[in-house]
Amino acid sequence: GAVVSQHPSWVICKSGTSVKIECRSLDFQATTMFWYRQFPKQSLMLMATSNEGSKATYEQGVEKDKFLINHASLTLSTLTVTSAHPEDSSFYICSARDSVGSGGDTQYFGPGTRLTVL
Amino acid sequence: GEDVEQSLFLSVREGDSSVINCTYTDSSSTYLYWYKQEPGAGLQLLTYIFSNMDMKQDQRLTVLLNKKDKHLSLRIADTQTGDSAIYFCAVSGGFKTIFGAGTRLFVKA
Repeated sequence: GAVVSQHPSWVICKSGTSVKIECRSLDFQATTMFWYRQFPKQSLMLMATSNEGSKATYEQGVEKDKFLINHASLTLSTLTVTSAHPEDSSFYICSARDSVGSGGDTQYFGPGTRLTVL
Repeated sequence: GEDVEQSLFLSVREGDSSVINCTYTDSSSTYLYWYKQEPGAGLQLLTYIFSNMDMKQDQRLTVLLNKKDKHLSLRIADTQTGDSAIYFCAVSGGFKTIFGAGTRLFVKA
């Protein structure tokens, strides 16, 4: 099946620094990728939809200047958490949409990145 | 807006069948998915069903779709301790995929 990777899998950083998370579709091209945030024992919260070659679409309440998304190629999207603070600590998961496969617009998920801001 | 609802918890004994239920509101949903999330991991696609199907079976997994009632279920036969995880129902009717809150399955040995 389609594989999506994320890097890093976990990161610890100091408050005020920026952290970049990469999401790659390894064996398919993804014109659309999604970034989610998940708090402990809670469901996924969609943060933004990332479209290749255009600006990301952010969900209501998500600060676009805080969470910078770049989708420069059909296989790579990046999420940069700028000036991270402890409240940004969370599990960030990306997914990539495979629009060509037989399963409709199936989303395949990365393994997630756990961010801890000290 | 569109909504997908699931019960939050399900507890079963090892060897029994598990049935996880999901209801949705968007009648234009064309693809319906079940994902599994183990602790500290991303979501793994288990199976999906197209809206013109009533049932799909894949080894121990059986998906039933009642389109009239907008009800989707996932049955896991011979549930094992390794099946303990959170199971997410998701429906897609176009550009957006809507996820349920997830059902946490506990399997007792």
